[in-house]
Amino acid sequence: EVQLLESGGGLVQPGGSLRLSCAASGFTFSTYAMSWFRQTPGKGLEWVSSISSGGAGTYYADSVRGRLTISRDNSRNTLYLQLNSLRAEDTALYYCARAAGAARPNWFDPWGQGTLVTVSS
Amino acid sequence: EIVMTQSPATLSVSPGERATLSCRASQSVSSNLAWYQQKPGQAPRLLIYGASTRATGIPARFSGSGSGTEFTLSISSLQSEDFAVYYCQQYNNWPLTFGGGAKVEI
Repeated sequence: EVQLLESGGGLVQPGGSLRLSCAASGFTFSTYAMSWFRQTPGKGLEWVSSISSGGAGTYYADSVRGRLTISRDNSRNTLYLQLNSLRAEDTALYYCARAAGAARPNWFDPWGQGTLVTVSS
Repeated sequence: EIVMTQSPATLSVSPGERATLSCRASQSVSSNLAWYQQKPGQAPRLLIYGASTRATGIPARFSGSGSGTEFTLSISSLQSEDFAVYYCQQYNNWPLTFGGGAKVEI
């Protein structure tokens, strides 16, 4: 069974940092692009960042470019999102999801259950 | 950035009836459109990709159509488990963008 399990969320002060992880199982992780999304409670979905299967290609939403960094460790079947210079507007439930292919923009299936990031003093 | 607009925002339907949801793109996305279902407290679930191809395990009552800028998700006979929020997503260009969602309620 394909599974994605996020971790690393929590309460952090404005300007602080956090690293999210997404542990993948049940498929050949190194052959799929992966992405992070976020959702504010009661609001819609927002794409945050994507990374190609090998890690060479990374893509970011304008709202997070320069503050968030996506990476992956294919030997550990794990996707990461480093969040720096956090703002109140970064407060959200963060999901990781598997892309349908190795690199180009794609649809996503499955999604993890999410990890909550709260930025507040 | 391609803006995705869904309508209506809320659709009230009785079980057994047909539901039709619309998604419009601000510029052509060809057939590079997906639909997701999200229930309260759950992650999004892929329903449709390529505008009209059902994902694995999705019942035949779900169908997608359209290309270019106009897309439709239809649910032929609503079951109790279909009451949820539905999102469209374009993957023709970066940045990936979603519609604002459409809630299907009883």
